[in-house]
Amino acid sequence: AQTVTQSQPEMSVQEAETVTLSCTYDTSESDYYLFWYKQPPSRQMILVIRQEAYKQQNATENRFSVNFQKAAKSFSLKISDSQLGDAAMYFCAYGGGGGTYKYIFGTGTRLKVLA
Amino acid sequence: GAVVSQHPSWVICKSGTSVKIECRSLDFQATTMFWYRQFPKQSLMLMATSNEGSKATYEQGVEKDKFLINHASLTLSTLTVTSAHPEDSSFYICSARDPSGSNEQFFGPGTRLTVL
Repeated sequence: AQTVTQSQPEMSVQEAETVTLSCTYDTSESDYYLFWYKQPPSRQMILVIRQEAYKQQNATENRFSVNFQKAAKSFSLKISDSQLGDAAMYFCAYGGGGGTYKYIFGTGTRLKVLA
Repeated sequence: GAVVSQHPSWVICKSGTSVKIECRSLDFQATTMFWYRQFPKQSLMLMATSNEGSKATYEQGVEKDKFLINHASLTLSTLTVTSAHPEDSSFYICSARDPSGSNEQFFGPGTRLTVL
């Protein structure tokens, strides 16, 4: 069975600085997706970035980028130039193949941005 | 595009009553929808996968007779919490699978259920 681990329950970053959130996963599948979702106080899940496992190039979306290490089964999220609006819960999610399309979520990391 | 709505956004009910939560894909057809439950300060826990026109697939430990899921059309899935009890109080979130074929899910805004 697949598992997703986020080992940092809480992180803090100074406004305009850079922070990296960690995520590791375990799977025996070769084809899968990985996602980072942001959940602000409104609790609406917002997709931050996604990575297809077959792509070696790390995904980037403006200030957000990932470090995808397939062999190490690691998928960290880097937030550059942190803004107050980045404060939220961040969840790493594994989307497997096999036709189920289910997500497995990590336990989340609460990010605080300090002014 | 890819908007998913939920109704109601919050509901309060008495113990023993049933509550229905609707999940709609507004601008696309969703053959597969998912229902999650989220307790305060915890992650999302998948309850079931809902496929249009067929029975839902429940995750281990989820009571199918208590949490009835119906996916009667390509834009609507419903979750009915039957004979609700205070321990069923939670935040329920639905999502719909990207119709383009990727593994991405589009999430609804959630429904807060409080059972008195």
